[in-house]
Amino acid sequence: NAGVTQTPKFRVLKTGQSMTLLCAQDMNHEYMYWYRQDPGMGLRLIHYSVGEGTTAKGEVPDGYNVSRLKKQNFLLGLESAAPSQTSVYFCASSRGRGAYEQYFGPGTRLTVT
Amino acid sequence: TQLLEQSPQFLSIQEGENLTVYCNSSSVFSSLQWYRQEPGEGPVLLVTVVTGGEVKKLKRLTFQFGDARKDSSLHITAAQPGDTGLYLCAGPGNTPLVFGKGTRLSVIA
Repeated sequence: NAGVTQTPKFRVLKTGQSMTLLCAQDMNHEYMYWYRQDPGMGLRLIHYSVGEGTTAKGEVPDGYNVSRLKKQNFLLGLESAAPSQTSVYFCASSRGRGAYEQYFGPGTRLTVT
Repeated sequence: TQLLEQSPQFLSIQEGENLTVYCNSSSVFSSLQWYRQEPGEGPVLLVTVVTGGEVKKLKRLTFQFGDARKDSSLHITAAQPGDTGLYLCAGPGNTPLVFGKGTRLSVIA
């Protein structure tokens, strides 16, 4: 089992460029999440999905879009990158919400110049 | 909005010392989780507590859930350099899981 994988690991963008981060999980989990982690801010939820074909907004959704076309994949898109989106992005998955364990990927470090 | 406040924000101790970190809220949580995140990696679950007053032990780590289910603590006995990392508490809220900002622990050999 690979668990949760993220692509790419590092990326540098110029302001205004677009990109897509890919998350894949092989645990047949229904729930998937995208978080960003900034110094002193902890983990903040961007968007999440409770199943294939569904998405929902989290705490900081502005400037991001997501899609869950297949159960095992969750894509995070930045249509027009801004320096404020410089961060480390983590994908996670879980069987359910609440007390269920979330399994995290290794993260993507994104720098927007 | 359910918030989880963690303290202290930073902690630097010598190997062999004991320490306690805290996770507090004004809201009641049905459960709380503790994760540890090592540099360059994603968080990994250490424990889930679900009953008020519950105490769970994981080797040298002792986790306690407050009687009123509004707070939790993590006590480490005889800390080792391998305990270095960011300790995050989390609980279900308006979103599937709300995280505290974490306690960054550094254990010096």
